[in-house]
Amino acid sequence: KAGVTQTPRYLIKTRGQQVTLSCSPISGHRSVSWYQQTPGQGLQFLFEYFSETQRNKGNFPGRFSGRQFSNSRSEMNVSTLELGDSALYLCASSLAVGGGEQFFGPGTRLTVL
Amino acid sequence: GENVEQHPSTLSVQEGDSAVIKCTYSDSASNYFPWYKQELGKRPQLIIDIRSNVGEKKDQRIAVTLNKTAKHFSLHITETQPEDSAVYFCAASKNQAGTALIFGKGTTLSVSS
Repeated sequence: KAGVTQTPRYLIKTRGQQVTLSCSPISGHRSVSWYQQTPGQGLQFLFEYFSETQRNKGNFPGRFSGRQFSNSRSEMNVSTLELGDSALYLCASSLAVGGGEQFFGPGTRLTVL
Repeated sequence: GENVEQHPSTLSVQEGDSAVIKCTYSDSASNYFPWYKQELGKRPQLIIDIRSNVGEKKDQRIAVTLNKTAKHFSLHITETQPEDSAVYFCAASKNQAGTALIFGKGTTLSVSS
């Protein structure tokens, strides 16, 4: 099976812009979670989507949003970018039925100038 | 919300020694505790996990112990090898699917030969 893929791998934006990141889960996986990784804060949970519905949400402002499509692919959007949004954004997919491993994608490195 | 604390932040050992990393969690509803290994420039990968109805789990040189009463869990690596050098993250989840992970800040393990 192909692993979790994320596009684009690298992004450079300026403050105030918005950005959309994409995640394609492993075939058959219905849950997609998003995490922000920074040197200072480590890995922080953003939100989880399951069957096109947001099932869990972390403590991030409303500028961070997401959605999931019927094929389980997910997108994450960040509006009004701030310098502090510079980070590696990781998505992870899992079967999410009866518990199980989350498989991470390679991440999208976002730099906000 | 859930908070996971991880110690130590850095750990240096000689090849063949054992390494122990400890985590504590705050939410007694948490019931799934995975450990992830992240090598430099790579995605996090699950190395072992444990559920709250189990006290200990072992997989070759790696073991995890869980003390629900004290709300802490530990990763034990025996006979360390240079390829064990990486950042290790503990995490906790309180949903049955094992998603929406709350991570500790990570431990950088260095194994010197």
